[in-house]
Amino acid sequence: QSALTQPASVSGSPGQSITISCTGTSSDVGGYNYVSWYQQYPGKAPKFMIYEVSNRPSGVSNRFSGSKSGNTASLTISGLQAEDEADYFCSSYTSNNTLVFGGGTKLTVL
Amino acid sequence: QVQLVESGGGVVQPGMSLRLSCAASGFSFSNYAIHWVRQAPGKGLEWVAVISYDGSNKYYADSVKGRFTISRDNSKNTLYLQMNSLRPEDTAVYYCAREWQQRHYFDHWGQGTLVTVSS
Repeated sequence: QSALTQPASVSGSPGQSITISCTGTSSDVGGYNYVSWYQQYPGKAPKFMIYEVSNRPSGVSNRFSGSKSGNTASLTISGLQAEDEADYFCSSYTSNNTLVFGGGTKLTVL
Repeated sequence: QVQLVESGGGVVQPGMSLRLSCAASGFSFSNYAIHWVRQAPGKGLEWVAVISYDGSNKYYADSVKGRFTISRDNSKNTLYLQMNSLRPEDTAVYYCAREWQQRHYFDHWGQGTLVTVSS
């Protein structure tokens, strides 16, 4: 049950686009379309932003999008805004009927 | 509206036990799998355990297997996590989270309860 691999930090200027990667194995990310993404502000509970790789729940801005290629999933945020500054975590279902998270990525809006 | 409220956290010594609770309201609790997820101070999220809607299936992270037990009482709309043989590395905020329709993602989270294991 090794954690999925995410970059520790990414940054971008307002209006720009950034992409956060999430790399696993064929037993998790690559084997299932059950990758989800969560946004977390300091001291707050996580909030789900993307489910099943690329689906966006109602209420989440269409500036957030998800994709997957092989064992790597990605979250893209376009038109960066100051309010997007937060920690982002990916999660995947695994072949052991468990879930695994990525280590998290701190997004800084410059 | 959907609410999940954790309780039972606190400070305990290594080797001791603690039981967390998660009280659910605003939805049909008995229809959903519920998970425990934890977050050590300043660290990332770690999945801990899941229990199926009827309690018949339970799965655990390797880091807690054999020490933690997840259970639920659907008549009380409450989820539990019995934590035994606690270690300093179990120190974390523990969240309960609802899984949406067996789709392996969490659509609602509680606010968490802090467990500190220290002598």
